[in-house]
Amino acid sequence: SQQGEEDPQALSIQEGENATMNCSYKTSINNLQWYRQNSGRGLVHLILIRSNEREKHSGRLRVTLDTSKKSSSLLITASRAADTASYFCATDGAGGTSYGKLTFGQGTILTVHP
Amino acid sequence: DTEVTQTPKHLVMGMTNKKSLKCEQHMGHRAMYWYKQKAKKPPELMFVYSYEKLSINESVPSRFSPECPNSSLLNLHLHALQPEDSALYLCASSQRGNSGANVLTFGAGSRLTVL
Repeated sequence: SQQGEEDPQALSIQEGENATMNCSYKTSINNLQWYRQNSGRGLVHLILIRSNEREKHSGRLRVTLDTSKKSSSLLITASRAADTASYFCATDGAGGTSYGKLTFGQGTILTVHP
Repeated sequence: DTEVTQTPKHLVMGMTNKKSLKCEQHMGHRAMYWYKQKAKKPPELMFVYSYEKLSINESVPSRFSPECPNSSLLNLHLHALQPEDSALYLCASSQRGNSGANVLTFGAGSRLTVL
């Protein structure tokens, strides 16, 4: 089964609005990452948050991590039409046979209308 | 060079054909990955090579055969595929450091159609 579950499955907003996506996972992690995928293309790494961090910022992106609830959120502020894409969280397991096994959540499809 | 290059971009093959997908990176990354992605689904891990050795095989059918000739190249050999194997095949690479942070750089993918 997929390690990460995301909600909402789809999000439609207007340019300039903020977009929030959530991700939940089931087992211990070393870190959690967010990736973006434009339609039919490869994934692009956005941001990584380690298990001992609670919040991280990068430009218009803000990521939070709550290891007690095994959840993370990605906030995109002041969205643009170019942010239209699918967004995936990915977990990097903590040790053992899961090391090196990056597992992706189901993804959120974000549509930003001009 | 910060790219992962995948060829071909599109491949159509019959169920009796033998074909290969190729992936190349020149970032000095020592881990390389194959993922399979169906439409509207997340990427699913197939294989991981670490320092040119196969370290993870996610119980992938033997009709998919990976090969890592050197640290820059990764191939996926395809034989006797089924129509349900039609998907986007993504190659990725990462540094293998001690921090455990595998940040993946992905190629643009090879779109495979099996007739």
